[in-house]
Amino acid sequence: DSGVTQTPKHLITATGQRVTLRCSPRSGDLSVYWYQQSLDQGLQFLIQYYNGEERAKGNILERFSAQQFPDLHSELNLSSLELGDSALYFCASSVASLGGAQETQYFGPGTRLLVL
Amino acid sequence: GESVGLHLPTLSVQEGDNSIINCAYSNSASDYFIWYKQESGKGPQFIIDIRSNMDKRQGQRVTVLLNKTVKHLSLQIAATQPGDSAVYFCAENTFTGNQFYFGTGTSLTVIP
Repeated sequence: DSGVTQTPKHLITATGQRVTLRCSPRSGDLSVYWYQQSLDQGLQFLIQYYNGEERAKGNILERFSAQQFPDLHSELNLSSLELGDSALYFCASSVASLGGAQETQYFGPGTRLLVL
Repeated sequence: GESVGLHLPTLSVQEGDNSIINCAYSNSASDYFIWYKQESGKGPQFIIDIRSNMDKRQGQRVTVLLNKTVKHLSLQIAATQPGDSAVYFCAENTFTGNQFYFGTGTSLTVIP
């Protein structure tokens, strides 16, 4: 158990809908990272938040957004869902000092999203 | 973007044998690397990391080797066990980088 929790574990929804995925980082970790893992693209970095502020952006679509709350939990919002958004979405956390991202990231169990 | 790739997508080994999983990276500025293990239905799990000022680092039954000259990283698992069956990813970052780049993964199957 990494100490990172994610809810829900599974999510089935329809095209055009909007969903929210939730992540609670390990105790003491200030950074949260979101990743998408699909069969054909591997693990893709989406976005990072550090202590409530956006820190880095990866291959995140405009239909997707995230935020980190004062209690450090984070939510990933996916809107106008398409079939191709079906994937595993992972959250990871790290202590992440201000010096950079060279810190081990601990991953949650993921949310499996299926868009029908 | 960065390119981190694995030479072999699948690897099968006999229980008790040693396993070697390879990874090539393209960014010569990368100076921090991590190996992750991902079991079916679970998130990636940290195994071992190495910084560019080292060429070898050992953990429990695992060794990571870094060859900066040819931009190659390998993970050696000693006395491979059935519980080692999983997908293994390498990931790279630079000192000033804000994100890790992950390889596509190698699926390791341990044959009892």
